[in-house]
Amino acid sequence: QQKVQQSPESLIVPEGGMASLNCTFSDRNSQYFWWYRQHSGEGPKALMSIFSNGDKKEGRFTAHLNKASLHVSLHIKDSQPSDSALYFCAVSPFGSSGNKLIFGIGTLLSVKP
Amino acid sequence: NSKVIQTPRYLVKGQGQKAKMRCIPEKGHPVVFWYQQNKNNEFKFLINFQNQEVLQQIDMTEKRFSAECPSNSPCSLEIQSSEAGDSALYLCASTPTPSQNTLYFGAGTRLSVL
Repeated sequence: QQKVQQSPESLIVPEGGMASLNCTFSDRNSQYFWWYRQHSGEGPKALMSIFSNGDKKEGRFTAHLNKASLHVSLHIKDSQPSDSALYFCAVSPFGSSGNKLIFGIGTLLSVKP
Repeated sequence: NSKVIQTPRYLVKGQGQKAKMRCIPEKGHPVVFWYQQNKNNEFKFLINFQNQEVLQQIDMTEKRFSAECPSNSPCSLEIQSSEAGDSALYLCASTPTPSQNTLYFGAGTRLSVL
């Protein structure tokens, strides 16, 4: 059974700072990875996906994937108070039909003005 | 704002009572998922559908859980006899295809079983 672990559990960064979130997965054959963000009282919303090794940048957000190290990360540049939320890493298991995702238990990010 | 509509937002039931929640997926999304998110933020996949057909499902918790996505009606998830351990946020998500696509979640139904 695929395991997805996230670190740190919680993170406080100053406004304008860099937030770095980490995720490790156990199945080397995993192919597809997402970062989701969930604000309090809302459902999760996809931030970005990454499918190939290396970096993918979208605005202030950069995802990095290293399948050999079983590691995917998310870096948020110039963090804003509105970035304060729970961040989840989600992995699509190899051979999964129907797009079922396995989620980590999240990193709680607080951005302090 | 989410285009996946879940109702009700909050549901309070006594132990042994039936709990039913509904989901209208985003227009044009035939694939629908139900996840349970517990107080520790752990996600548990429950079931997914493509149109009216079940694609995958867990062993639906001793058959107390049932779900359907009828044609031209909202999808629904029902717990026949609620238990305290069922208290959680139930999330519905939809996506255009069953292949590797982003899931679009609703705001969820928060179930409290007293």
